[in-house]
Amino acid sequence: DIQMTQSPASLSASLGETVTIECRASEDIYNGLAWYQQKPGKSPQLLIYNANSLHTGVPSRFSGSGSGTQYSLKINSLQSEDVASYFCQQYYDYPFTFGSGTKLEIK
Amino acid sequence: EVQLVESGGGLVQPGRSLKLSCAASGFTFSNYYMAWVRQAPKKGLEWVATISTSGSRTYYPDSVKGRFTISRDNAKSSLYLQMNSLKSEDTATYYCARPHTMGITAFAYWGQGTLVTVSS
Repeated sequence: DIQMTQSPASLSASLGETVTIECRASEDIYNGLAWYQQKPGKSPQLLIYNANSLHTGVPSRFSGSGSGTQYSLKINSLQSEDVASYFCQQYYDYPFTFGSGTKLEIK
Repeated sequence: EVQLVESGGGLVQPGRSLKLSCAASGFTFSNYYMAWVRQAPKKGLEWVATISTSGSRTYYPDSVKGRFTISRDNAKSSLYLQMNSLKSEDTATYYCARPHTMGITAFAYWGQGTLVTVSS
């Protein structure tokens, strides 16, 4: 199985700041990676697919990058509505696996 | 508008069975692989099962293989998850999910989830 190691587990940043969340796969996943945002009590929402493609309707302050085994999600100009948990997921191979999540708070 | 509505969750004793349903609308259901993803209370996400468009191919992680069965009825635009021999560690909110595009890709659409509690 492909293991997804996500960091950091939690993050506190100020409004307007830029934050980066990382995900490392245990083997090459050939950009088969997604990032999701989940607000408390809500279903996950897709932000990024294929490592760097922005899903429809997602603000452009979110961006994804990476290749091989290393991927990252960047949030520019942090807004209060970005408070949420963020998860990466590989869908390159079964079993699909998720990172353990990053909880983002406003400082 | 794509809509996925899960039902069938509830309290069930360990070792018993439960069947979840997901009613899909707003898209041509038969054109998409479909999946179930779960989330234990205050925990992360875990992929549970995927089924191909025709239902001929199914995929599971080891944690549920042999106990859970995913199925679909394309005529009814419905997805199902039959869960047998339930364990306490199966306690979670179960989400029905549809990929972004036809084929195997990220989950772009999620239902609101249905809570399954396994406890005596």
